[in-house]
Amino acid sequence: ETGVTQTPRHLVMGMTNKKSLKCEQHLGHNAMYWYKQSAKKPLELMFVYNFKEQTENNSVPSRFSPECPNSSHLFLHLHTLQPEDSALYLCASSQGGASQETQYFGPGTRLLVL
Amino acid sequence: AQKVTQAQTEISVVEKEDVTLDCVYETRDTTYYLFWYKQPPSGELVFLIRRNSFDEQNEISGRYSWNFQKSTSSFNFTITASQVVDSAVYFCALSADEGTYKYIFGTGTRLKVLA
Repeated sequence: ETGVTQTPRHLVMGMTNKKSLKCEQHLGHNAMYWYKQSAKKPLELMFVYNFKEQTENNSVPSRFSPECPNSSHLFLHLHTLQPEDSALYLCASSQGGASQETQYFGPGTRLLVL
Repeated sequence: AQKVTQAQTEISVVEKEDVTLDCVYETRDTTYYLFWYKQPPSGELVFLIRRNSFDEQNEISGRYSWNFQKSTSSFNFTITASQVVDSAVYFCALSADEGTYKYIFGTGTRLKVLA
């Protein structure tokens, strides 16, 4: 398998549930990202990991908890979400974490919070 | 402040027509990078091109071409002889500030190519 994969592709959860999104990259990259894409809004960067270390937390609420066990895997743990958290969550990776690096995206997880 | 403006929210064309998607950016950095991505209905952002601020040559890749003009801070994208498969949302992005990881995305242009 190549590229960046994300599971699940679709997720419906209640506000009291706990779930996790998974991202895996097969490109040998060292940096991974979580983005949130809401309707009619620009993509919002949430978290950045570079060589497994979190280097950016873009003022994301604590109900979103990222985990990066190695350079190939990235998780986003979700708990007590709100309906306004419904969105497409995109994972991306790049060779390194420098600004000029091209980021390659996965297909996203479409999340609906009821 | 850095900003990317894609003023065209939605464009509809008939197949085989040429179409240009506009992208205007703002940055005070002299070194920066510009990107175009395509997002089909499946959701994945597909990388199309990266251009650095020191390379103003226009680029052509098949039916796609890009016109980078620093004088007007624009990085426009043209699809020649559009096809139905080109229907997608197209995003322009700017990356500047050495050492940071942030892409500044525009709000995207939805292109509909009608058969």
